Amino acid sequence: AQSVTQPDARVTVSEGASLQLRCKYSYFGTPYLFWYVQYPRQGLQLLLKYYPGDPVVQGVNGFEAEFSKSNSSFHLRKASVHWSDWAVYFCGDTGGLSGKLTFGEGTQVTVIS
Amino acid sequence: ETAVFQTPNYHVTQVGNEVSFNCKQTLGHDTMYWYKQDSKKLLKIMFSYNNKQLIVNETVPRRFSPQSSDKAHLNLRIKSVEPEDSAVYLCASSSPGLGYAEQFFGPGTRLTVL
Repeated sequence: AQSVTQPDARVTVSEGASLQLRCKYSYFGTPYLFWYVQYPRQGLQLLLKYYPGDPVVQGVNGFEAEFSKSNSSFHLRKASVHWSDWAVYFCGDTGGLSGKLTFGEGTQVTVIS
Repeated sequence: ETAVFQTPNYHVTQVGNEVSFNCKQTLGHDTMYWYKQDSKKLLKIMFSYNNKQLIVNETVPRRFSPQSSDKAHLNLRIKSVEPEDSAVYLCASSSPGLGYAEQFFGPGTRLTVL
């Protein structure tokens, strides 16, 4: 069974600064990895997805993520954070194409001016 | 643009009551899911349905039961709610064209059990 770990429960970043959110996965097959964002009082929205191929994937709103098989990681990055990026970010893995999406614990991002 | 709709947005009830939440998707997907998000934001899958058939049933109390009339609708009924059922319930859908991997979520139903 797959598992996903987000080691940082909270991250505070200044507006305009860069952001990196960490995600580690554990799955012995081919992982299919996702980053979702949840704005206050809303459902989850897909930021980007990794299907086997190019390890760097581009998402919406300037987000990108890099897959590393050797590190079992799928870290999310953004070069310049905006106040509207204040949200909870979830990393997920479907353990192949099972459709069973397992989420990490989430990382709360707080943006300060 | 919302394509997965959930009603109600909020529901407050007392221990022992029965509640029912509705979910509808207009994306033409054939698989739908229910997730529970607790007060710490942790997300756990509860059920998934494919073409009205249950395909995933995680370990949830028997008082929870999904109900599907067609592939666009998946409701969740909770008989005799308990305080630990207070959470946000998120509905999602996906399609085989996406390998079932990419899921689209509704806004959630927040349940408070007094």
